[in-house]
Amino acid sequence: GQSLEQPSEVTAVEGAIVQINCTYQTSGFYGLSWYQQHDGGAPTFLSYNALDGLEETGRFSSFLSRSDSYGYLLLQELQMKDSASYFCAGRNTGFQKLVFGTGTRLLVSP
Amino acid sequence: SAVISQKPSRDICQRGTSLTIQCQVDSQVTMMFWYRQQPGQSLTLIATANQGSEATYESGFVIDKFPISRPNLTFSTLTVSNLSPEDSSIYLCSVPGLAGAFETQYFGPGTRLLVL
Repeated sequence: GQSLEQPSEVTAVEGAIVQINCTYQTSGFYGLSWYQQHDGGAPTFLSYNALDGLEETGRFSSFLSRSDSYGYLLLQELQMKDSASYFCAGRNTGFQKLVFGTGTRLLVSP
Repeated sequence: SAVISQKPSRDICQRGTSLTIQCQVDSQVTMMFWYRQQPGQSLTLIATANQGSEATYESGFVIDKFPISRPNLTFSTLTVSNLSPEDSSIYLCSVPGLAGAFETQYFGPGTRLLVL
């Protein structure tokens, strides 16, 4: 089966850079997605790494290394509105479904 | 992007009763997903609902407890039966993203269920 592990909580201050890690154990992995969920809200898609390397979308970047079974989400120029939970998610080859990571709660302080 | 609505947005139910959650999408989709998110936890897939066939349930979830209907390509319902306090969770439906991409799912706003 798949399992994707994340730190439970990360804290940072406004304007800083924070990295949220995701390590997984599975074989035949398609790639890694990242979702953001504010308290009381629905998860929203942030980024997807189909291949190894870095993907950049504005202040957010995501990285994947298949050889290390590892990825991360990098948030730059942190803003208070970035306080939310962040989930990595993966899809195993041959399966038409996502498995979500354990989730990381990001707290941004002034 | 797909726009998804869910009803009810929240409910408080007594144990032993059932709650049916509706999920409406603004476009036709082949697959719809139902997730459970227990308080402070991650998302766990309950089942995949395909139009015209039986839903596919994940390990630990059974049809008697979570019956699903999928009458057309824009609508699905999830019923949570014989409620117990352990069923208190957020229930979310989702659909695949552009070109049916499973990695980029769109989620409904969720149904917050509290069982007393």
